[in-house]
Amino acid sequence: EVQLVESGGGLVQPGRSLRLSCTASGFTFADYDMSWFRQAPGKGLEWVGFIRSRAYGGTIEYAATVKGRFIISREDSKSIAYLQMKSLEIEDTAVYYCARAQALRGFDPWGQGTLVTVSS
Amino acid sequence: QSVLTQPPSVSAAPGQKVTISCSGGSSNIGKNFVSWYQHLPGTAPKLLIYGNNKRPSGIPDRFSGFKSATSATLDITGLQTGDEADYYCVTWDNTLSAVVFGGGTRVTVL
Repeated sequence: EVQLVESGGGLVQPGRSLRLSCTASGFTFADYDMSWFRQAPGKGLEWVGFIRSRAYGGTIEYAATVKGRFIISREDSKSIAYLQMKSLEIEDTAVYYCARAQALRGFDPWGQGTLVTVSS
Repeated sequence: QSVLTQPPSVSAAPGQKVTISCSGGSSNIGKNFVSWYQHLPGTAPKLLIYGNNKRPSGIPDRFSGFKSATSATLDITGLQTGDEADYYCVTWDNTLSAVVFGGGTRVTVL
C-alpha cells in the first residue's frame, strides 16, 4: 500500500525553526517528485513547494509566501522528504501535508498531516 | 484571494447533481492540466480528477471533470451524504511558477 506519514509538528515560538518529515512506503520513493502543502485554520489548501526526483535534477520550487524561509530536501535512501521551516511566523500555523507528485497525474496520495502551531 | 475562483458553496438533495466551477486565466488553466481534490477536515485530501477529466482507479464515475479555455468544472452526480466535503481545483501557473489552488467549495447534501 502506498502511504505517506508526516511527523515533526508541534508548538513553536515565533522566530524559531522546525523540521517536518514525510516518510514514504509502498513505492520507489526516488522515482517521484514530492510536494508539501498546508491548511491554516479556517482557510483553504495552499501549496508550499515541491522537490523533483533526481532524474529531473532534484530541483525545488517554492511558494512566494515561504521562499527564503523554508527549505525542502529529500533523502532517497530513507524514503523521506523534509520541510525545514525557519523564522516561523504566527501565520505559518497550519496542518502541513506531504503528497506524491506526478506531473500529469496530480498529487496522490497525501499524508494525514501534522499540525504546526506558532505561538508565544 | 486565490488565483483560481470557485464558488464558496453548493448544495443539492441526495441523488441530485452539483457542478463546481473553477475559473482561471491564460497562464494557468489556459495552458495546463487541472486536477480536483476532495477534502474532509482532519483527513488526507483525495485526488478525484487529474489531467482535466481522468479518474484515478477507485474513484466512481459519479465524479467527472471538464475543461474549456480558462475554466474547469467538476460534476458530482447521484449525490450521497458521504460526498459532503470541500472540493479544490488545482493547476500550475506559468507566470507565477507555482501550483495554484481555488479557494475551495463546500458541498452540502440537503
